[in-house]
Amino acid sequence: AQTVTQSQPEMSVQEAETVTLSCTYDTSESDYYLFWYKQPPSRQMILVIRQEAYKQQNATENRFSVNFQKAAKSFSLKISDSQLGDAAMYFCAYFASGSQGNLIFGKGTKLSVKP
Amino acid sequence: GAGVSQSPSNKVTEKGKDVELRCDPISGHTALYWYRQSLGQGLEFLIYFQGNSAPDKSGLPSDRFSAERTGGSVSTLTIQRTQQEDSAVYLCASSLGTARTDTQYFGPGTRLTVL
Repeated sequence: AQTVTQSQPEMSVQEAETVTLSCTYDTSESDYYLFWYKQPPSRQMILVIRQEAYKQQNATENRFSVNFQKAAKSFSLKISDSQLGDAAMYFCAYFASGSQGNLIFGKGTKLSVKP
Repeated sequence: GAGVSQSPSNKVTEKGKDVELRCDPISGHTALYWYRQSLGQGLEFLIYFQGNSAPDKSGLPSDRFSAERTGGSVSTLTIQRTQQEDSAVYLCASSLGTARTDTQYFGPGTRLTVL
């Protein structure tokens, strides 16, 4: 079975600085998608960024980028120029090939941003 | 346009009572998912619908849990004879379809507290 592990329960970053959140996963599949979701205190999960496993190029969305290491099964999220609004829970998720659509989530990393 | 809505936002009930949680997906989205988020945990997949059909109910924690979707739109998750371990945030998501490229959009969740 696929699993997703986020080893950092909490992280803190100074405003305007850069922070990296870690995620590792376990799978025997070669074709899959990976996601980072943000969950602010409002509870609503928001998609931050998506990576397709067959693409070697790391995905980027404005201040958010990933470091995807397929062989190491690692998928970290880098947030540049951190803003107060980035404070939230961040979840890494896996979507398997052939899956009927459900995402497999890690336990999350709580990010605090210090002014 | 309107996003995914869920009601009630919060629900407090007594052990042994039945509860119904409602999800109203984005118009036109054929796929609908229910997840459970327990304190300090990631999201646990419960069930998904493609149209009105739920092909796989194995994610439901026990036979006290059931879900239905009518008219390809609104879905209800019913928990019978609630137990304290059912306390959690129940999140609903919808997407155009069940393909990996179909982003899942989440609602704000229902926080269920069983006393």
